[in-house]
Amino acid sequence: NAGVTQTPKFRVLKTGQSMTLLCAQDMNHEYMYWYRQDPGMGLRLIHYSVGEGTTAKGEVPDGYNVSRLKKQNFLLGLESAAPSQTSVYFCASSTLGTTASPLHFGNGTRLTVT
Amino acid sequence: KQEVTQIPAALSVPEGENLVLNCSFTDSAIYNLQWFRQDPGKGLTSLLLIQSSQREQTSGRLNASLDKSSGRSTLYIAASQPGDSATYLCASGGYNFNKFYFGSGTKLNVKP
Repeated sequence: NAGVTQTPKFRVLKTGQSMTLLCAQDMNHEYMYWYRQDPGMGLRLIHYSVGEGTTAKGEVPDGYNVSRLKKQNFLLGLESAAPSQTSVYFCASSTLGTTASPLHFGNGTRLTVT
Repeated sequence: KQEVTQIPAALSVPEGENLVLNCSFTDSAIYNLQWFRQDPGKGLTSLLLIQSSQREQTSGRLNASLDKSSGRSTLYIAASQPGDSATYLCASGGYNFNKFYFGSGTKLNVKP
């Protein structure tokens, strides 16, 4: 019973490098989300998707791009990493797009940009 | 934009105590209020969800209340256990997840 799986778990990048975070869910959920969590701050929504082939901007989208080519996968890309992007990134999914639908979270990716 | 605040940031109590975690929000026009638990190195797990028309929800030793008029929610944990040690986050917002705002959490340590 995998649920939401994120890879990698840890990554260290140098400023200017690029990388892609992968999120996979096996629950057939339509909605998927990328959040970042920083010390002393709550989770903030980066981008989200309401279905295969769709993406939308959240609260803090700058510096990130996303793609949802397959229903089960949601990719988060950093084209040119900056130290301000050092954070823990969480992927989540839900059956419905309303906040009455439970959110299922992955275990996170800890990214450090030096 | 909704601001969600959780005070204190950390709390340490001896096993067996009853305790209350606080959550305050600035915009009372919320759709619901949710409480989550986060264990170290893990994602969030939903504990309780209170709809805007409700005043409280209970699950086992947990009871969450909501007072929209004062912009406050509390999570009551009865007879705390070391296994309750975790970070507890609240989140409030509108109908859709793009208007769903998290607090920064209260880190709870229950000492044996």
